Order: sequence, then C-alpha cells, then structure tokens
Amino acid sequence: GEDVEQSLFLSVREGDSSVINCTYTDSSSTYLYWYKQEPGAGLQLLTYIFSNMDMKQDQRLTVLLNKKDKHLSLRIADTQTGDSAIYFCAESIIPRTGNQFYFGTGTSLTVIP
Amino acid sequence: DTGVSQDPRHKITKRGQNVTFRCDPISEHNRLYWYRQTLGQGPEFLTYFQNEAQLEKSRLLSDRFSAERPKGSFSTLEIQRTEQGDSAMYLCASSRDSPLHFGNGTRLTVT
Repeated sequence: GEDVEQSLFLSVREGDSSVINCTYTDSSSTYLYWYKQEPGAGLQLLTYIFSNMDMKQDQRLTVLLNKKDKHLSLRIADTQTGDSAIYFCAESIIPRTGNQFYFGTGTSLTVIP
Repeated sequence: DTGVSQDPRHKITKRGQNVTFRCDPISEHNRLYWYRQTLGQGPEFLTYFQNEAQLEKSRLLSDRFSAERPKGSFSTLEIQRTEQGDSAMYLCASSRDSPLHFGNGTRLTVT
C-alpha cells in the first residue's frame, strides 16, 4: 500500500533555512503536497507539485522532487517563529474512484528565536 | 470562497452517547472527505463522497460510524455509542480536482 515517511522533529534558528524531507513509495503519485498545521487548527495547504516537475518555488518556499528516489523536500528560507508548526507531506494518485490522498505522520518544526 | 466549515469546533460527550458533526465544503467542490487525526499522527482516511455517493469507507470506520451527504452539499458524520478511543480530531476536506482543502476540525473528547 501507500506509505509516506517523514522525520518527526526539526529545530532551526530564526533566519536560517529549514529543510523538511519526505519519502513515498507509490511511483504512480500524481501530485505531492505540503500542508502546515498549527495547534488546534486544520491543515493549511502550503504548496504542491505535479509529479512530472523537479522543482517549484513560491516566495520563501522551495519544493524539490526526486522522482527516481521518491523523495520530496520543502525548504523554507529565512525561517520565522511563525513558521513553527507541524508540516505534513502528502501524495495523491489520480485517477482513482476512491480515496486518493495519503499523508505522512508530520514533522514538527521548532524555530528558536 | 468561504473555505470548509465544520461544526461544532469542540464536543465533549459521555461514553455511550451519540454525536453528530457537520461539514460544509467549498461550494463548487464535488468531493468530500472525512479524516480522523490523533495526537502525533497524520490524518487517517475514514470515508469519501463524490457528490452524494459514498464511494469508499475505510476499515477503520466501524459500524458505529455513519456518514451522509444527502444532496451532494454538506455532510454529517455520526458516531453512535461513543467510546473513549473515539476521542480525536475529526477533519473534513473537500476538493474539485486537486488539492484538498481542510476545515478546522471538530475535536471530540469522550469522558
């Protein structure tokens, strides 16, 4: 079945870059996503990349996809204390008639002032 | 775009009681999903609707759980005879093509 793996914790100093990594097993993934979850809230979509792309940049966020190794990363430049949250990697497999989305267990990012 | 709305935000109930949660998806979204999230975990898939048709249910969804989406718009998730193990955040999400947009969830505490 589908398996999405992430490391559990990451700490960085304010102003440094953060890199959050994710691996997935299903080579038929269509899209790969990064979501952010703050305490007591739902998941907020940050960015996503189509599986035939290698990189996507959106302001401070850079997504890198290595499809051969099934590895996805999210780089946050100039990390701020407001970036402290849990970050979830997810993949979707389209088309499917049923559930299409699979999530990792999340990486808790702590930004030290 | 008002986003995905869930009600209530919090629910505390005694073991054995029934609870019902509501989700209002983004209006043009035809797909609606329910997930459950416990502390330190990612969202676990429960069930999925395309329009009013429930197309998939996880084996996590015991017969005490039922979900409906009667007119292909809002959805309800009912848990009968709640157990302490049902305590979790219940997340609703909707999409048209991709990606998923989540509501803020309903946190259920069963005492």
